[in-house]
Amino acid sequence: EAQVTQNPRYLITVTGKKLTVTCSQNMNHEYMSWYRQDPGLGLRQIYYSMNVEVTDKGDVPEGYKVSRKEKRNFPLILESPSPNQTSLYFCASSFTGLGYNEQFFGPGTRLTVL
Amino acid sequence: EDQVTQSPEALRLQEGESSSLNCSYTVSGLRGLFWYRQDPGKGPEFLFTLYSAGEEKEKERLKATLTKKESFLHITAPKPEDSATYLCAVQAGGSGNTGKLIFGQGTTLQVKP
Repeated sequence: EAQVTQNPRYLITVTGKKLTVTCSQNMNHEYMSWYRQDPGLGLRQIYYSMNVEVTDKGDVPEGYKVSRKEKRNFPLILESPSPNQTSLYFCASSFTGLGYNEQFFGPGTRLTVL
Repeated sequence: EDQVTQSPEALRLQEGESSSLNCSYTVSGLRGLFWYRQDPGKGPEFLFTLYSAGEEKEKERLKATLTKKESFLHITAPKPEDSATYLCAVQAGGSGNTGKLIFGQGTTLQVKP
């Protein structure tokens, strides 16, 4: 089944404790992206990757890191999480041809930073 | 600054009562405008892509249209299962940032039987 998977789905952590949220897709998509969703602010793009070893900042990259060493994986790293990073996070992927933004989204990761 | 604004924030309809959702945008060189549907607790699900003014796309009770400044999502004779949050997003073409997407805040639609 074609899908985007994220782990963990739920995470409660404390300020400053490094964490990684994994994202994997099985559709051979070149493009992958991370978003956060907050009430009243909608979906905001954190980072995106056009292909392996190619990443770029979205609108809200501060406090986050990403890497794209393999085509199928795009982990999101929070080196020193803070309470303002409490949010619902989505990973998405798509092809990069015409209409490539028909993105497939993962199920989301709900992160709470205490 | 690139910006996307959706209205209304919330919409309540009776089953069968047609209406439209609006997405106004300001971007430097539109490469594409996208509509997504999001159910509570789930990731967004792709609906349509529109590329140029005058373009229209249809899917069941939904029809998306595009002008140079805005897009409409028309819902004809909605059913309760159409209840969801509808998101609009644009891809700007400036500075070669072809991977950057800007989402609106969404319109939450409730259709009552």
